[in-house]
Amino acid sequence: QAVVTQEPSLTVSPGGTVTLTCGSSTGAVISDHYPYWFQKKPDQAPRTLIFDTYNRHPWTPARFSGSLLGGKAALTLSGAQPEDEADYYCLLSYSGSVVFGGGTKLTVL
Amino acid sequence: QVQLVQSGAGVWRPGASVKVSCKASGYSFTTYGITWVRQAPGQGLEWMGSISANNGNTNYAQKFQGRITMTTDTSTRTAYMELRSLRSDDTAVYYCARGDDFWNGYDTLDYWGQGTLVTVSS
Repeated sequence: QAVVTQEPSLTVSPGGTVTLTCGSSTGAVISDHYPYWFQKKPDQAPRTLIFDTYNRHPWTPARFSGSLLGGKAALTLSGAQPEDEADYYCLLSYSGSVVFGGGTKLTVL
Repeated sequence: QVQLVQSGAGVWRPGASVKVSCKASGYSFTTYGITWVRQAPGQGLEWMGSISANNGNTNYAQKFQGRITMTTDTSTRTAYMELRSLRSDDTAVYYCARGDDFWNGYDTLDYWGQGTLVTVSS
């Protein structure tokens, strides 16, 4: 089974910009992995932010954007807010299965 | 509005089976599948598998093959996930989410249940 890797933790200043990445043990992440991004806060269900690399849901703040960057999927947060402090997970699709990354703990400080 | 409401938390003995339900409302049930995801304490999210509510086809993560069964009941708009031979490391919050197609760019997993805490303890 493929392993999906994310930064364990990142810190961003309020109003700042940060990029979270999502890599695959099988090689470069491409559009055919249909990357997803989820936000997870304690005692809440996950919330889907991005699907199919860069598509936002109606509830996804415009400050979140998805892309492919340097062979990885990326989630960029521009203008971080205190409420963006959370764990973020990516999900990649492979032949017949999907795999979550280990998650990135984002601190807004 | 779309809602997925899961069954309540509980404690199960090692070796027992648990069956978690996920009742859907607010959309055409058979148009979307259901995916199950869990999160153990202090751990990340883990895909367990998915089921089509249209035809009942299932796709289980290799890790759970032989120990998991997902079903749907279209008459009650409810999906079920049964996990057998429970171990202490199955202690986790189990989530259902709408959708089972991750290979066509769909907005799969757009709506989630509230989660069900399953504690495995003697």
